[in-house]
Amino acid sequence: DTAVSQTPKYLVTQMGNDKSIKCEQNLGHDTMYWYKQDSKKFLKIMFSYNNKELIINETVPNRFSPKSPDKAHLNLHINSLELGDSAVYFCASSRGGLAGGQNTQYFGPGTRLTVL
Amino acid sequence: LAKTTQPISMDSYEGQEVNITCSHNNIATNDYITWYQQFPSQGPRFIIQGYKTKVTNEVASLFIPADRKSSTLSLPRVSLSDTAVYYCLVGDNNNDMRFGAGTRLTVKP
Repeated sequence: DTAVSQTPKYLVTQMGNDKSIKCEQNLGHDTMYWYKQDSKKFLKIMFSYNNKELIINETVPNRFSPKSPDKAHLNLHINSLELGDSAVYFCASSRGGLAGGQNTQYFGPGTRLTVL
Repeated sequence: LAKTTQPISMDSYEGQEVNITCSHNNIATNDYITWYQQFPSQGPRFIIQGYKTKVTNEVASLFIPADRKSSTLSLPRVSLSDTAVYYCLVGDNNNDMRFGAGTRLTVKP
């Protein structure tokens, strides 16, 4: 069983469209994250949720809206897609927020979004 | 937030030991040091975590001097499949840790 799964793996769409990326973890973790990795390979955190509550909201355009229906799912909805949104988006989860005691992040396989 | 500095890239040959050093001069008392590995087209994967002295697991060793201002990830006898980007993160909370540019390790035959 895949610990952290994302769908779709690839997403190609036109500018101006609205799209969603889904993420699910079956690890029983309380905290989930969304990261964006651009063409220069920098991995930047976008959002963090703990038990369905928003913890981190970095300087991300409000066209990006995360939604957590339960603590096993954190979906990312993007409105009015722009060319600069093209990137690989990774979902991750961890048992909690604290970093110690092997409480590390488990990443999904990524969703490659291409905006034409 | 403690920042980290790593070499941008390193080259090695199969069978060699590789040491990647990370500087974190502003590390705080409660901060842990965590290393992740990322292969092309995959998400980062946890390798090792430590607080002080030395930690070893089946994949790597992590050496942390007494002042904790740096750490060294040691990969014994690398193979071609160890070619990846290695990230050093410092923090006491996953929400505060930030990925830097990482070190791109290329293992050659």
